[in-house]
Amino acid sequence: SAVISQKPSRDICQRGTSLTIQCQVDSQVTMMFWYRQQPGQSLTLIATANQGSEATYESGFVIDKFPISRPNLTFSTLTVSNMSPEDSSIYLCSVGWLMGEQYFGPGTRLTVT
Amino acid sequence: KQEVTQIPAALSVPEGENLVLNCSFTDSAIYNLQWFRQDPGKGLTSLLLIQSSQREQTSGRLNASLDKSSGRSTLYIAASQPGDSATYLCAVFVEYGNKLVFGAGTILRVKS
Repeated sequence: SAVISQKPSRDICQRGTSLTIQCQVDSQVTMMFWYRQQPGQSLTLIATANQGSEATYESGFVIDKFPISRPNLTFSTLTVSNMSPEDSSIYLCSVGWLMGEQYFGPGTRLTVT
Repeated sequence: KQEVTQIPAALSVPEGENLVLNCSFTDSAIYNLQWFRQDPGKGLTSLLLIQSSQREQTSGRLNASLDKSSGRSTLYIAASQPGDSATYLCAVFVEYGNKLVFGAGTILRVKS
């Protein structure tokens, strides 16, 4: 299993600014993912965070808007850049192992005004 | 492209009832299927993981089955309680892309 923490737990930001969300895991993990959950919707994968290389982004998500870092096997950050009200969502970090169980952090609730 | 569908979208039952949540997926090229629970405004809690070679998994009052060939899974909740009220999400870990694909979820309300 894995215990995941995220910072901040919530934030209210102004349009045009950027927010960096941190994800910390209590053990080394192969796979780390970032998801977005818009109000009333299910989860959509933003990208897979790869240790030591660029993240792999899903269709509809780009690095300029959602830059991701993963400096080691226990930590990753997601930045939401040049925010607009449409970016208001819950952002979740998840970790796991190939063919194994996936674990999720508590999420970061972002409101953009 | 993998698509995951959950039926019903919402369910309201009296306390004590046994209930079944359904999940279907379009592509059988999966490593596993996982059921999650999400409480309002919270993250996801893993309930059960079924590997593609397995038929079912049980944890307490929960039992999940998997029929990979037909692309179906069910989550059975026995003797439901008000504390079971939450959104239940089904997700498959796809072989191509190595990622989870989620269904839209079933919102469950158990009335006392």
